[in-house]
Amino acid sequence: QKEVEQNSGPLSVPEGAIASLNCTYSDRGSQSFFWYRQYSGKSPELIMFIYSNGDKEDGRFTAQLNKASQYVSLLIRDSQPSDSATYLCAVKNTGNQFYFGTGTSLTVIP
Amino acid sequence: DAGVTQSPTHLIKTRGQQVTLRCSPISGHKSVSWYQQVLGQGPQFIFQYYEKEERGRGNFPDRFSARQFPNYSSELNVNALLLGDSALYLCASSLSGPLNEQFFGPGTRLTVL
Repeated sequence: QKEVEQNSGPLSVPEGAIASLNCTYSDRGSQSFFWYRQYSGKSPELIMFIYSNGDKEDGRFTAQLNKASQYVSLLIRDSQPSDSATYLCAVKNTGNQFYFGTGTSLTVIP
Repeated sequence: DAGVTQSPTHLIKTRGQQVTLRCSPISGHKSVSWYQQVLGQGPQFIFQYYEKEERGRGNFPDRFSARQFPNYSSELNVNALLLGDSALYLCASSLSGPLNEQFFGPGTRLTVL
């Protein structure tokens, strides 16, 4: 079982719609969870982090964490073509190791 | 403010050689982490250093080593290069170990022939 699993997609949504990206993790004791965006040929850039159960909102982005289900999600509201990228979920586990998922490719169709 | 910087940008080596990659963190950041990213995959964690001490290690062979200097810059060394070491090597810095909001540099593209 992989430490972090994501649906690789591709995920396509029309402009203005909500994009929903999901991630599960295996280490129940993990405490820190991150979402990164990576454009082709570029390095990952941090979008959001979340440590506590529940929702965390930042502009058009909402991260959701459910530790009981070992599930993290990212919602992007009012999706824009510029949001088209690969979204990486990352988890810091109890062994102080960071694990990234393989990423979900998102395309926002104008 | 300057972001994370890495050098060199690109590097070509042959099998069996050794390589050293360099990283300078964001000013004020004391933690540096190294990742390997192969095409189509997410970054794989190699090392984390905080206050010049190793604080985390991923599942990489002993051919991979790193260190952090008093100015918090870091080097990643890879010995006895294999074809499979060809990848984008990313450095990320964070303000402190426990906080761990990491910011990535542009990466070093290593090609092993």
